[in-house]
Amino acid sequence: EAGVAQSPRYKIIEKRQSVAFWCNPISGHATLYWYQQILGQGPKLLIQFQNNGVVDDSQLPKDRFSAERLKGVDSTLKIQPAKLEDSAVYLCASSSGQLSYGYTFGSGTRLTVV
Amino acid sequence: DQQVKQNSPSLSVQEGRISILNCDYTNSMFDYFLWYKKYPAEGPTFLISISSIKDKNEDGRFTVFLNKSAKHLSLHIVPSQPGDSAVYFCAASDSSASKIIFGSGTRLSIRP
Repeated sequence: EAGVAQSPRYKIIEKRQSVAFWCNPISGHATLYWYQQILGQGPKLLIQFQNNGVVDDSQLPKDRFSAERLKGVDSTLKIQPAKLEDSAVYLCASSSGQLSYGYTFGSGTRLTVV
Repeated sequence: DQQVKQNSPSLSVQEGRISILNCDYTNSMFDYFLWYKKYPAEGPTFLISISSIKDKNEDGRFTVFLNKSAKHLSLHIVPSQPGDSAVYFCAASDSSASKIIFGSGTRLSIRP
């Protein structure tokens, strides 16, 4: 079974620029999550999709962050404009819906805003 | 408001001994608990889970214990091996919401 694919692996941008991250979940996984992990902290949920609908985006800074999951498969997360405090690893995860198996995470995109 | 707390940022254990990682939670609605392991430059990997109807779950060298009255869980690794050196995240879920809340992690180092 192929894992969760994310790209790019690394990105360095200047503050106020925009950036986009891409995620391809495990085939057949209806639920997709984007997490933000700041250095020294645990992953924090930004947004949860069920198929192509948003289930929870209560922690997403909507003035600068946006996410979509067209056709219920791939997803993109965008930041515009970026701030220094957005420097973090952005993790995508997918789930079949059974908590006993947890989520499957991708390797993440490390974003550095300078 | 940290709902899942890992109060030890790091832990060093000798190879062959038992590693015990601790986790506390505050939300009494949590009914499913998970442990993830993370190596540098990789995403977290699911390790083991436990439902609130159980107090123990074992998988090979890994055992998770749950004390609901104390809102505390722990992960035991025995015997500890060099490949166990990683950051371990405790996580919890209110299964009706199907989202997982993570702790801040404990960095485990296994020394020879």
